[in-house]
Amino acid sequence: SQTIHQWPATLVQPVGSPLSLECTVEGTSNPNLYWYRQAAGRGLQLLFYSVGIGQISSEVPQNLSASRPQDRQFILSSKKLLLSDSGFYLCAWSVGLAGDTQYFGPGTRLTVL
Amino acid sequence: ELKVEQNPLFLSMQEGKNYTIYCNYSTTSDRLYWYRQDPGKSLESLFVLLSNGAVKQEGRLMASLDTKARLSTLHITAAVHDLSATYFCAVDIYLTSGTYKYIFGTGTRLKVLA
Repeated sequence: SQTIHQWPATLVQPVGSPLSLECTVEGTSNPNLYWYRQAAGRGLQLLFYSVGIGQISSEVPQNLSASRPQDRQFILSSKKLLLSDSGFYLCAWSVGLAGDTQYFGPGTRLTVL
Repeated sequence: ELKVEQNPLFLSMQEGKNYTIYCNYSTTSDRLYWYRQDPGKSLESLFVLLSNGAVKQEGRLMASLDTKARLSTLHITAAVHDLSATYFCAVDIYLTSGTYKYIFGTGTRLKVLA
């Protein structure tokens, strides 16, 4: 069966510090991968998606970036965090076919102080 | 711009009562997804509706899809406290890259009171 991992689970960072969040998927090959951010009490904002190694599409211009160095690894990064980067970051995967649901990781709760 | 709107945003209901959550979307997609999110947790897939008239049921939850009206409903029958959560609907959009991205609704926060 497929499993999706995210780490760290919780992170508290000062403004201006760098960020690296990691997501890995097990049990499937060539998944479509997605990064979402959820502000407190709000809906999901799609940040990035990837259909393959090195292929990243950005949805929202911001100080975040994403990379996919391996087939089942997706990394979210920032060089300098802003207060507005606080939120719940969710990684998700799908097969990439019509009618395929998304499967979400456990999430990383980021607080920028 | 594609919009996915849910109502109500907040719902407080007594145990044993019935209620319906509505999801309206502006695209012509005929696929609709429902997810559940417990407080502080991630999202869990509930239902995938793949065609007009599709109906799926799991326990006290029943989801349906009317693609002509661009409307999906999530009906709760005889609510119990364990159903307290936030419910999201989503539609997918086909991309030129050959994959899909998902647009989520605003979410409905359901609280079932004993």
